[in-house]
Amino acid sequence: QVQLQESGPGLVKPSQTLSLTCSVSGGSISSGGSYWSWIRQHPGKGLEWIGFIYYNGNTFYNPSLKSRVAISVDTSKNQFSLKVTSVTAADTAVYYCAGAPLYGGHADWFDPWGQGTLVTVSS
Amino acid sequence: SYELIQPPSVSVSPGQTASITCSGDRLGSKYVYWYQQMPGHSPVLIIYQGSKRPSGIPARFSGSNSGNTATLTISGTQAMDEADYFCQAWDSRTAIFGGGTELTVL
Repeated sequence: QVQLQESGPGLVKPSQTLSLTCSVSGGSISSGGSYWSWIRQHPGKGLEWIGFIYYNGNTFYNPSLKSRVAISVDTSKNQFSLKVTSVTAADTAVYYCAGAPLYGGHADWFDPWGQGTLVTVSS
Repeated sequence: SYELIQPPSVSVSPGQTASITCSGDRLGSKYVYWYQQMPGHSPVLIIYQGSKRPSGIPARFSGSNSGNTATLTISGTQAMDEADYFCQAWDSRTAIFGGGTELTVL
């Protein structure tokens, strides 16, 4: 059973870069069966897809965040990472990593999800 | 940009049927996914590709999708079903989530 775990600083200063890592256990990122995603949830409810990466490094980003976001993968460590540059208070959210199984050559649903990590942007 | 609209809240009595809608332009032509999120927990997939249930999800959860509206139906709603529910679809290779519906079991 694949499990995901986010890690990284819980507090980031405005204008700095948010960096998070997702560690995958119980399965290999390199198996090619899933895209590996980042999703965030702002205080109060809504979910926002940030983007995902395939094991070969191919990435897809939400157009609304694309200019500030980078997702990378380290298959040797079975991890993938997220960087968000020039953060503001609007980037304060719970950040989740999740697997997105391939179906018909495309990413399908999001499952499993990590437990999430709260990142607060504040000076 | 594509939007999915959900009612902010739905109330249901125990044992009754709850229906949560998700509306979007020509949504019936897309696969819709539903997630349940308990307070303080991560979302959990409960319906995929419109009407399929993952292993372990009770049969009282069902999904349908036609026209501009997808519906999550919970038959015989139980107190444990009280949670937030989110719909999701893909548009132009971008995952779109609805704003979420808080289900209250009164």
